[in-house]
Amino acid sequence: AQRVTQPEKLLSVFKGAPVELKCNYSYSGSPELFWYVQYSRQRLQLLLRHISRESIKGFTADLNKGETSFHLKKPFAQEEDSAMYYCALKEDSGGSNYKLTFGKGTLLTVNP
Amino acid sequence: GAGVSQTPSNKVTEKGKYVELRCDPISGHTALYWYRQSLGQGPEFLIYFQGTGAADDSGLPNDRFFAVRPEGSVSTLKIQRTERGDSAVYLCASSFGPYNEQYFGPGTRLTVT
Repeated sequence: AQRVTQPEKLLSVFKGAPVELKCNYSYSGSPELFWYVQYSRQRLQLLLRHISRESIKGFTADLNKGETSFHLKKPFAQEEDSAMYYCALKEDSGGSNYKLTFGKGTLLTVNP
Repeated sequence: GAGVSQTPSNKVTEKGKYVELRCDPISGHTALYWYRQSLGQGPEFLIYFQGTGAADDSGLPNDRFFAVRPEGSVSTLKIQRTERGDSAVYLCASSFGPYNEQYFGPGTRLTVT
């Protein structure tokens, strides 16, 4: 079965510092990978997906199939980036490519 | 436009009672999903509807859990004989189709005392 691992429950950085939120996955096929974000008192929302290859709010993530990783990066963290971040995976085939499998999340705090 | 809405936002019930949680998807979205998020965990898939039918209910933990979507829009998640372990945030999401972005509701926080 597929699995998503986010090794850090908490991550604290200072404003302007680079930030990297780690995500590793296990899946035998070619998955679709996502990052979701939940700001305080807001609903879960999509931040970015690997197939769109775009930068959202300064964040980027590259799918590394060799290392089975999809780490989220931002060169200069801002206080408004403080939130809970979830990495998620969708199967690419096999009839279940609607189901999201989430990691446990990383709480990012950006200090002033 | 309006996003996914869920009611109630909070529900406290006693062990053994029956509860219903409601989800109103975004208008026009044919796909609807329920997830459960326990404390310290990410959301876990429960069930997926395409239209009125449950296309995949493999994530429902046991037969105390049931969900319906009779007219292909609003969905209700029903939990019988609630147990303390059912306490969690229940999230609903909808998407235009199964391969499209899922939009999440605010969740219902269920507490079983």
